[in-house]
Amino acid sequence: EIQLQESGPGLVKPSQSLSLTCSVTGYTITSGYDWSWIRKFPGNKMEWMGYISYSGSTNYNPSLKSRISITRDTSKNQFFLQLNSVTTEDTATYYCARAGSFAYWGQGTLVTVSS
Amino acid sequence: DVVLTQTPVSLLISLGGQASISCRSSQSLVHSNGNTYLHWYLQKPGQSPQLLIYQVSNRFSGIPDRFSGSGSGTDFTLKISRVEPEDLGVYYCLQRTHNPWTFGGGTKLELK
Repeated sequence: EIQLQESGPGLVKPSQSLSLTCSVTGYTITSGYDWSWIRKFPGNKMEWMGYISYSGSTNYNPSLKSRISITRDTSKNQFFLQLNSVTTEDTATYYCARAGSFAYWGQGTLVTVSS
Repeated sequence: DVVLTQTPVSLLISLGGQASISCRSSQSLVHSNGNTYLHWYLQKPGQSPQLLIYQVSNRFSGIPDRFSGSGSGTDFTLKISRVEPEDLGVYYCLQRTHNPWTFGGGTKLELK
């Protein structure tokens, strides 16, 4: 069974960096698919942030411009999100998911940006 | 960016009733390879989104046939027949044809 789990700090100060880890079990991230980060803002708005492919290439939402980086550690079957220069508008629940049709999601982690 | 407009924003349905949710795209979602990457999800309270329908009309594994998807080009519909209590939550459409991938604004299904 494929499972994804996010982990990382729940509180980040404005102007600092947000860093999250997605641990994947039941599937090797280098075997296929794109591995994405998605966030849900307070209310219902959802935003796809970007992905790292099974081959290691990345694709980011232009709205996040140069603030975002997605990397991976294949030895641990994990991929990571780093979002720089956060503001209160980055407060959201962050999900990792396997792209394709996004059939598999983590449980989500709430990140609050506040001083 | 492709804008997906979901209507209605909220839906009050009686148990056993039928619900219909529209997802309209600002441009055609037919990919150059001929596929249409329009998917539907349900996010139940306190849970992650779950895939219901992929590529317009294909039910994901384990999804009951009460859920059906249809449409083409820019207009898509999710129908839920014989609504049950576990169907309540927020429904989203997602397009993965054009970069960046985008979501609809969500439709909240509640019991009347």
